[in-house]
Amino acid sequence: NAGVTQTPKFQVLKTGQSMTLQCAQDMNHEYMSWYRQDPGMGLRLIHYSVGAGITDQGEVPNGYNVSRSTTEDFPLRLLSAAPSQTSVYFCASSLRAVSSGANVLTFGAGSRLTVL
Amino acid sequence: KQEVTQIPAALSVPEGENLVLNCSFTDSAIYNLQWFRQDPGKGLTSLLLIQSSQREQTSGRLNASLDKSSGRSTLYIAASQPGDSATYLCAARSGSSNTGKLIFGQGTTLQVKP
Repeated sequence: NAGVTQTPKFQVLKTGQSMTLQCAQDMNHEYMSWYRQDPGMGLRLIHYSVGAGITDQGEVPNGYNVSRSTTEDFPLRLLSAAPSQTSVYFCASSLRAVSSGANVLTFGAGSRLTVL
Repeated sequence: KQEVTQIPAALSVPEGENLVLNCSFTDSAIYNLQWFRQDPGKGLTSLLLIQSSQREQTSGRLNASLDKSSGRSTLYIAASQPGDSATYLCAARSGSSNTGKLIFGQGTTLQVKP
């Protein structure tokens, strides 16, 4: 299994440009999420989805859009990139959104974005 | 608002030493707590997950404990090896279900010297 695949791994944008970070998982996971990791800030949740057709906001959703048209894919869109969005972005998924048992997050390798 | 803190930010130990990484959280109403490892330039790998009803979890040389009342979790690494060098993050899932937000600490960067 490929697990969680993120593309691209690196991207440089100019202020105002738009782009989409792709995330795909082949584990039939219900739950998918996007985090950004910044020095001294830890990982912060941007958006998440508990199943196809369902998305919700996390801690820092402004400037980002998501959609979940299929179980496998959860793209993150930057509408008009700003230097403050320079970060490393991680996609993560888990088998169940609601479970009485343990539920482990599996992370992608990350996408490093620089906005000039 | 849940806040997760990891101290120290960096730790350097000689090979073979047993060590403890600390994680504290401000809101004891957590669903579970998870420890991750992150190698430079890579994603996060889950190490251990402790449900709120559990006190500890073990995997090989790793043991994670959870004390909700004091808002603390520890990751114990026995007989450390250079390959253990990485950043270790803890994350607390708030609320009463698996849909609660996962709040991360800032991580402890561990260096194990040969």
